Amino acid sequence: NAGVTQTPKFQVLKTGQSMTLQCAQDMNHNSMYWYRQDPGMGLRLIYYSASEGTTDKGEVPNGYNVSRLNKREFSLRLESAAPSQTSVYFCASSEWQGETQYFGPGTRLLVL
Amino acid sequence: AQSVSQHNHHVILSEAASLELGCNYSYGGTVNLFWYVQYPGQHLQLLLKYFSGDPLVKGIKGFEAEFIKSKFSFNLRKPSVQWSDTAEYFCAVNEGDTGTASKLTFGTGTRLQVTL
Repeated sequence: NAGVTQTPKFQVLKTGQSMTLQCAQDMNHNSMYWYRQDPGMGLRLIYYSASEGTTDKGEVPNGYNVSRLNKREFSLRLESAAPSQTSVYFCASSEWQGETQYFGPGTRLLVL
Repeated sequence: AQSVSQHNHHVILSEAASLELGCNYSYGGTVNLFWYVQYPGQHLQLLLKYFSGDPLVKGIKGFEAEFIKSKFSFNLRKPSVQWSDTAEYFCAVNEGDTGTASKLTFGTGTRLQVTL
């Protein structure tokens, strides 16, 4: 049981480049989430998917898009990266909304 | 909107000292409460949670937390900290019942440094 996995672990982008962060879980969870973690600001929700086939905006969705590819996978896309998107990105999943969330190891993104 | 406050941003303790980290939230209805821990270089892990029942909950590694509804608080405690407890601690709150609950709102975190 790998839990929640994320790729890549680290990425450097130039301003304006695009990329997709991948997340997968093997716990048969229904809900999945993307957060960003910045110093002194805790974790902020970017997007979430309460169940397969649905996605909703979180607290800081601007500049991001998501795809719930299937029950296991939930990707986060940056269409045109900006330095303000330099952060650590965490994916999480839970059996249902409101239940305990399990986190992946994170992706450290640097936008120059 | 729900807000979660962690008043201690950085706490430094000597080994064997007692720990209490504050957490207050703003929502007056049904809540699910969590404490997560992030050890250096690692991802967040669940420390303990409260959904209902006994307001004093026990978690891993000797941690416990008490839900005081009248004070909108869920403070984390440990009687005697160890050097290995050095980490960042996050309080998080969900409004409502599981299955239909709102999104999880995190506090800004408390960095705990335990010295030998």
